[in-house]
Amino acid sequence: AQSVAQPEDQVNVAEGNPLTVKCTYSVSGNPYLFWYVQYPNRGLQFLLKYITGDNLVKGSYGFEAEFNKSQTSFHLKKPSALVSDSALYFCAVYQAGTALIFGKGTTLSVSS
Amino acid sequence: DTGVSQDPRHKITKRGQNVTFRCDPISEHNRLYWYRQTLGQGPEFLTYFQNEAQLEKSRLLSDRFSAERPKGSFSTLEIQRTEQGDSAMYLCASSPGQGGTNQPQHFGDGTRLSIL
Repeated sequence: AQSVAQPEDQVNVAEGNPLTVKCTYSVSGNPYLFWYVQYPNRGLQFLLKYITGDNLVKGSYGFEAEFNKSQTSFHLKKPSALVSDSALYFCAVYQAGTALIFGKGTTLSVSS
Repeated sequence: DTGVSQDPRHKITKRGQNVTFRCDPISEHNRLYWYRQTLGQGPEFLTYFQNEAQLEKSRLLSDRFSAERPKGSFSTLEIQRTEQGDSAMYLCASSPGQGGTNQPQHFGDGTRLSIL
C-alpha cells in the first residue's frame, strides 16, 4: 500500500528565514505526489505536484518542492517565510482507486 | 470558477439522528471525492464518483453511510443513525476527468459534524 509520512508535527521558523517541511513516501511504481495547505476551518488548497520531469517543482505562493527518488522524499521549501504562511501542510500521494492518501500534516508557525 | 461548495458548513445533531450533506463541485469537473478529516489527522478517503457512477468506496464507509451523485453534478453524503465517532469534518473535492490522475483535486471548505 502507498503511504506518506510527515515526521514533524510542527515546524517553527522566523519570518524571512527559509523553511522546509519534510515528507517521505512509499509507493510501488512512479509516484504522483502533492502538497496542500489548510487554514483553520477551511478546506485544502493545492500548492504543487510532482508527476514526472524536473526534480524541483515550483508551486503557488513562492513554494517549491524537491523530489528525491533515492531518498524517497518530497520536501516542501520556501526561501523566505512569511507570517501568513502559518498553516497546516499536508503531503499526499495518489493511489489508483482510492484517490489521495494524506500524511498526518505538519503545522508551520512563522514568527515575526 | 466558483469553487467547490459544501452545505451546511456546520451540523450539530443528537446521536442516532440521520444527517445529509451536499457538495456542488466545480461545474466542468466530472470526478468527485468525499473525505473525512478528524482532529490532528489528514483527510481519509471515503468514496469517489466519475460522473454519476460510484467507482470506489473505502472500508471506512460503513453501511450507515451512503453517497449519491444522481445526475453527475452535485453529490450528497448521508449518515444514518449517527454515532459519536462520526464527529469529523467531511470534505468534498472535485477534479477534471481529462488529464487523468495527475490533475489536482479542488476542495470545498467542508461540513463540520458534531454529535451530541
